[in-house]
Amino acid sequence: DAKTTQPNSMESNEEEPVHLPCNHSTISGTDYIHWYRQLPSQGPEYVIHGLTSNVNNRMASLAIAEDRKSSTLILHRATLRDAAVYYCILREDNAGNMLTFGGGTRLMVKP
Amino acid sequence: EPEVTQTPSHQVTQMGQEVILRCVPISNHLYFYWYRQILGQKVEFLVSFYNNEISEKSEIFDDQFSVERPDGSNFTLKIRSTKLEDSAMYFCASSTRDRGRNEGEQYFGPGTRLTVT
Repeated sequence: DAKTTQPNSMESNEEEPVHLPCNHSTISGTDYIHWYRQLPSQGPEYVIHGLTSNVNNRMASLAIAEDRKSSTLILHRATLRDAAVYYCILREDNAGNMLTFGGGTRLMVKP
Repeated sequence: EPEVTQTPSHQVTQMGQEVILRCVPISNHLYFYWYRQILGQKVEFLVSFYNNEISEKSEIFDDQFSVERPDGSNFTLKIRSTKLEDSAMYFCASSTRDRGRNEGEQYFGPGTRLTVT
């Protein structure tokens, strides 16, 4: 299985940008990079996904390295509500529809 | 905004009892999933369901588990004879068929906390 590596935890100050890194050195050409987050006591929530190009949506931006072996989720202005566990997940073309969650990065946001 | 709903929010049951967890996926979605998360552990995939049949299942999803879409809106997970180790949060999710298998996003419900005593 293609795997991802993320720091266990990160801290940020409120209203500052946050860059959450993810390494996926075994990624193959058709694997999509997905990010989900899980707020305390809630179900996972889709954030963003991409293949090769950088992506932006209303929640975040996804910067993908040119060699695709790493990516960074960018929250442009962290709020207290962004405190969550962020999961970087590779969706492999031949691995079905399931999401395989790792440990993720616990983001703490300080006021 | 449409959302996945789950009932009950918390279910307490005795070991050996049957439980049914209920989910109402987003109405135009065609793929349905169950995941579970034991307290303090990772979210684990259990099963996916499409076109009225199981499309994938994990090793966790043994003969004690079953899923059903009894009508056009509900999606259920049944555990026939619960064990202590079945205590966990159970999340239902759904997705559309619009995207490819590895591109489509999944939308999760708030979960049902199952406590087996």
